[in-house]
Amino acid sequence: ETGVTQTPRHLVMGMTNKKSLKCEQHLGHNAMYWYKQSAKKPLELMFVYNFKEQTENNSVPSRFSPECPNSSHLFLHLHTLQPEDSALYLCASSPGRGDGDYGYTFGSGTRLTVV
Amino acid sequence: AQSVTQLDSQVPVFEEAPVELRCNYSSSVSVYLFWYVQYPNQGLQLLLKYLSGSTLVKGINGFEAEFNKSQTSFHLRKPSVHISDTAEYFCAVSDSTNDYKLSFGAGTTVTVRA
Repeated sequence: ETGVTQTPRHLVMGMTNKKSLKCEQHLGHNAMYWYKQSAKKPLELMFVYNFKEQTENNSVPSRFSPECPNSSHLFLHLHTLQPEDSALYLCASSPGRGDGDYGYTFGSGTRLTVV
Repeated sequence: AQSVTQLDSQVPVFEEAPVELRCNYSSSVSVYLFWYVQYPNQGLQLLLKYLSGSTLVKGINGFEAEFNKSQTSFHLRKPSVHISDTAEYFCAVSDSTNDYKLSFGAGTTVTVRA
């Protein structure tokens, strides 16, 4: 498998549930990102990981908890979400610092609905 | 810090007509520029990128873009669109001031009609 794979593609969860989103890349990249895409709003960068270390957290509520066990895998743990958290969550990867090509490769996203 | 402005939020166009999507950026240093496309219920896919060299960049699906440093623009064009080009298009910029993280524009929705 190549590229960036996100699972599940769709998720419906209640406000008291706990669930996790998974992202996996087979590109040998060292940086991974979580974005939130809500209807009619620009892409929001949530978290950045470089070489497994979190380097950016853009004031994301604590009900979103990222985890990066290695450079190939990124998780987003969800608990006690609110209906306004319903959105498309996109994972991306890039070569990381020191490389000339800084373009990102995106996964297909997880469509999250909080009920 | 850099920023990106996509000047049109929605662009309706007839099939086989040309289309141009406008993108302006601000940055105090050399930049890398990108255009991504997002089809419904999909992630973002890279259309083309400008890193250096020729200012006219050709991408996938017949798209091209021209980097204009004096006007700080990177407009995307296609001479003849298809129904399948209906999608949202994002312009993005990166530079050394933000550790080369991408900054995205708000997106332009292209709707191609028969």
